[in-house]
Amino acid sequence: GAVVSQHPSRVICKSGTSVKIECRSLDFQATTMFWYRQFPKQSLMLMATSNEGSKATYEQGVEKDKFLINHASLTLSTLTVTSAHPEDSSFYICSAGENTGELFFGEGSRLTVL
Amino acid sequence: DAKTTQPNSMESNEEEPVHLPCNHSTISGTDYIHWYRQLPSQGPEYVIHGLTSNVNNRMASLAIAEDRKSSTLILHRATLRDAAVYYCILSPPRTSGSRLTFGEGTQLTVNP
Repeated sequence: GAVVSQHPSRVICKSGTSVKIECRSLDFQATTMFWYRQFPKQSLMLMATSNEGSKATYEQGVEKDKFLINHASLTLSTLTVTSAHPEDSSFYICSAGENTGELFFGEGSRLTVL
Repeated sequence: DAKTTQPNSMESNEEEPVHLPCNHSTISGTDYIHWYRQLPSQGPEYVIHGLTSNVNNRMASLAIAEDRKSSTLILHRATLRDAAVYYCILSPPRTSGSRLTFGEGTQLTVNP
C-alpha cells in the first residue's frame, strides 16, 4: 500500500533555532499534503495544506511565518519551524492521499525545543 | 466541517466484537464517513470509509445508518493490538486525499 515517510522521527534543538521536517510520499505522487500538530493527550490539529507548486493554505490561528511549508515536488513537502521555542515542542505529522479517498500518515516527528 | 460525536472511551475483552459508535447528525449528502485509528506515538492509520452502504475490509466493518446521521465501526474480534484512539471523521469527496479535521476520538482499551 501507499506509504508516507517523515524525517527525522525525533529532533531536539535549542531555543531560537530552526528545524526542518521532511514528508515524502514513497510510491505515489501527492499534489496535496497536510501537516498536523499533536500535543500530549490531545487530538491532531490541522495546521496547513501543502500544495505542490504553490503557496500553502494555513488554518486559522497558525502563523505562516513561523511554520514555513514548501512543496517543491510531487513527492516531498517540508515544514520548517522557525525560531523554535519550548511551546513549539510537539508531535508533527504529515499526510497525503491518492484518488482512493484514503489518507496515509507519516510516522510523525517529535520535536523537543530546549 | 460537519461535527462528529464519539464516546471518550470504551473497553472490550480480547477476541470479542467491538462496536464503536459515531453520531454525525449534521452530515451533508456528499460527506464521506472516515475512520482512522492512532496507536501511541504513531501517525494515524486508515481503517475504513464509506458513503451510504455498509463497507467491509480486512480490518473492520462500517455500518451506516439509513439516515446517515450515525455510523458504527465494528471490529469483529478485538486483539490487544487494536487498543488505540479511534477517530470518526466526515469529509467531502476529493480526488487527491481529503482535508480531515480530527475530533477527540474514542480511546479503546482491550483487556486480555
